[in-house]
Amino acid sequence: AQSVTQLDSQVPVFEEAPVELRCNYSSSVSVYLFWYVQYPNQGLQLLLKYLSGSTLVKGINGFEAEFNKSQTSFHLRKPSVHISDTAEYFCAVIDSGGYQKVTFGTGTKLQVIP
Amino acid sequence: NAGVTQTPKFRILKIGQSMTLQCTQDMNHNYMYWYRQDPGMGLKLIYYSVGAGITDKGEVPNGYNVSRSTTEDFPLRLELAAPSQTSVYFCASSYPRDTVDSEGYTFGSGTRLTVV
Repeated sequence: AQSVTQLDSQVPVFEEAPVELRCNYSSSVSVYLFWYVQYPNQGLQLLLKYLSGSTLVKGINGFEAEFNKSQTSFHLRKPSVHISDTAEYFCAVIDSGGYQKVTFGTGTKLQVIP
Repeated sequence: NAGVTQTPKFRILKIGQSMTLQCTQDMNHNYMYWYRQDPGMGLKLIYYSVGAGITDKGEVPNGYNVSRSTTEDFPLRLELAAPSQTSVYFCASSYPRDTVDSEGYTFGSGTRLTVV
């Protein structure tokens, strides 16, 4: 069975500073990886995805993530955050060999401080 | 706008009451899902469907039922509401995994349910 671990439940960061949100997964087979963002009182929106190919994936709003197979990680980064990036971020994994049932991490709340 | 629509947005139920959470999508997605979101717990899959007439249990199906009579609609039924079902419920849809360029899930905006 697949699983996702987001070790940081909350990450405070000053505006214009860089940020990294950590995600580690476990699976016995190949996986697809996703990051979703949830703004207050809204549903989740797809931020970026890794299916295959280049391990550095760029998403919306200046975010990027790097797939590291040896470390089973898919950390999310942004070089300079904005107040509007304040939200909860979820890492997710799909077993590429099964039905498209996503396993979500428990989420990381990013709090951007002015 | 195309997407996933959930109704109602908010609801307060008394213990033992029943209700149906509605979900409809207009993207012709085959796959649909119901999740509940609790603080610090992420999202837990309740039920999912891979097409009209086909449904299956997720991680936390107890106390819920679903049906999928059409591609567009995937209602979630709570028969005897309990305080443990207080949560935010999200419906989502997607194309099958086998598509070349998986777009992940499209989520509705959620239903906030309180059982008192």
